[in-house]
Amino acid sequence: KQEVTQIPAALSVPEGENLVLNCSFTDSAIYNLQWFRQDPGKGLTSLLLIQSSQREQTSGRLNASLDKSSGRSTLYIAASQPGDSATYLCAAPRYNNNDMRFGAGTRLTVKP
Amino acid sequence: EPEVTQTPSHQVTQMGQEVILRCVPISNHLYFYWYRQILGQKVEFLVSFYNNEISEKSEIFDDQFSVERPDGSNFTLKIRSTKLEDSAMYFCASSPGADTGELFFGEGSRLTVL
Repeated sequence: KQEVTQIPAALSVPEGENLVLNCSFTDSAIYNLQWFRQDPGKGLTSLLLIQSSQREQTSGRLNASLDKSSGRSTLYIAASQPGDSATYLCAAPRYNNNDMRFGAGTRLTVKP
Repeated sequence: EPEVTQTPSHQVTQMGQEVILRCVPISNHLYFYWYRQILGQKVEFLVSFYNNEISEKSEIFDDQFSVERPDGSNFTLKIRSTKLEDSAMYFCASSPGADTGELFFGEGSRLTVL
């Protein structure tokens, strides 16, 4: 059974700081891993999808890495801005399975 | 940019009533999903749907739940007899493919059961 854990649960940083969010998963036989952003009371916005054959993906100030062997992924946010304040979720499927398992998320606050 | 749309955004119902939540997935996507998020808890998988049938379902998706794709665009989740514990945000998602495809979520339908 795939279990996804995210650390830290909450993070508060001053504007401009670079930061790293962590995600770990128990079943390394995954097709892909996806990072999402969720604003309060809103849906999930896809940020980055990393295929199992890839080690990282980049989109603007965001960089996500994947290490299947250790069961870890990180989301790096460069030069954080107050608009980055949200909950960040990672999700990984069970192998050969559509059932995406979500972590509990990291609630990020970027202070002006 | 194509998006997944869900209606209603919020529904309040009495315990025991039937509820239908509606979703319009992205038009060229082949896989459709329902997830739910109880307040303060993780997003949980309910069911996946492909080629007009359920491909997988979780232990949460019991006999009171059903899904349907009544036409070429809509994808619905029906809860036959709502319980208090069904109160949650229900998210629809779609994907162009199952194993390598990116999931795109709607804004969710908040269900409150009284």
